Amino acid sequence: DQQVKQNSPSLSVQEGRISILNCDYTNSMFDYFLWYKKYPAEGPTFLISISSIKDKNEDGRFTVFLNKSAKHLSLHIVPSQPGDSAVYFCAASAEFSGSARQLTFGSGTQLTVLP
Amino acid sequence: NAGVTQTPKFQVLKTGQSMTLQCAQDMNHNSMYWYRQDPGMGLRLIYYSASEGTTDKGEVPNGYNVSRLNKREFSLRLESAAPSQTSVYFCAGRRGSNQPQHFGDGTRLSIL
Repeated sequence: DQQVKQNSPSLSVQEGRISILNCDYTNSMFDYFLWYKKYPAEGPTFLISISSIKDKNEDGRFTVFLNKSAKHLSLHIVPSQPGDSAVYFCAASAEFSGSARQLTFGSGTQLTVLP
Repeated sequence: NAGVTQTPKFQVLKTGQSMTLQCAQDMNHNSMYWYRQDPGMGLRLIYYSASEGTTDKGEVPNGYNVSRLNKREFSLRLESAAPSQTSVYFCAGRRGSNQPQHFGDGTRLSIL
């Protein structure tokens, strides 16, 4: 069973507009959430994270929103730039996984920003 | 500023051959991880090491073994490669709790 789901395999947006990437999770024990960006032939790069005690975290053009009651998080990119075109992975971890804080990943969303 | 370094970057094996994927980090990570990524899927955890001297199974450990040689190095071994192990393998490390994992650039492994 997929505990972290990204239901949109792909998303296209116009340069300068907002990109919204969505992620749903089923395990209520998850308390730490991350977004990673991945370019072809490279490893995932950490983008932004949020703890379950918050509902919003912002870093420059990137904002992550967490809705615990809906078990839903989203990543907003404003304004979108062509260099943002990549695969975005949502990931989650739980305190119960111990000191190693194992991550559970979604299947990714390919974002294409059109010039 | 190497970060997390994986070797080799590419490898082709025949069914039944063995091989070790190497991972080294210079970021003072306490925990280290091995993942595989298959088309249309997210990264799945194979094995991890919470600290030097410890290793534990992840979601998909069958067919693999690991060694945490020291704090810097964490290797993944395929004893008898199978076509189902064709994948991209990523190593990651993390310094402490509620800190993000940092990934290497992957090893692309094909098993014929």
